[in-house]
Amino acid sequence: DVKVTQSSRYLVKRTGEKVFLECVQDMDHENMFWYRQDPGLGLRLIYFSYDVKMKEKGDIPEGYSVSREKKERFSLILESASTNQTSMYLCATLVVEYGTENTEAFFGQGTRLTVV
Amino acid sequence: DAKTTQPPSMDCAEGRAANLPCNHSTISGNEYVYWYRQIHSQGPQYIIHGLKNNETNEMASLIITEDRKSSTLILPHATLRDTAVYYCIVSYGKLTFGQGTILTVHP
Repeated sequence: DVKVTQSSRYLVKRTGEKVFLECVQDMDHENMFWYRQDPGLGLRLIYFSYDVKMKEKGDIPEGYSVSREKKERFSLILESASTNQTSMYLCATLVVEYGTENTEAFFGQGTRLTVV
Repeated sequence: DAKTTQPPSMDCAEGRAANLPCNHSTISGNEYVYWYRQIHSQGPQYIIHGLKNNETNEMASLIITEDRKSSTLILPHATLRDTAVYYCIVSYGKLTFGQGTILTVHP
């Protein structure tokens, strides 16, 4: 089974802190994604990466950056955490079967971040 | 990615079929229709996907209209554990989630 592991289930940080959310996958997938989920707003895509050292902005990248130095690890960085970044953060990997173009996403369990 | 429209909520009696609709009138030729669901406090879970043919797996069936502008996810015998938010996504390579449909299965 594909495993997508997020480093923390719950996290509390102070305003202005630099925060790292780590995501590790064990299936050699090229595509990795970071989403945040808020009540009434659904899942919103923050950043994604198609390969090592590659990154693309999603729908709400402001206030975030990402790092993909190794294929299996995709980190989300909050340079200076703010209270409006309190949210559930979900990491996902996507496998694409070229030829059939079948894609399936696998999600981690999420990190609930509270910024105080 | 094409935008999708789903009803915000639906109810279904346990043991009956749950039919969840999705409109995706701007879908393009290479975009697949995906369905995911999210049970409270968990990450979304893949259910099924299709391009233009109807599909069935052990979890559900997917019916896509001939013009591909809408689709229906069918849970043939809904159980209480099927209560979740169901997301219809139209995509090629990147998954953008909408608001989804909150399906409540009641006894």
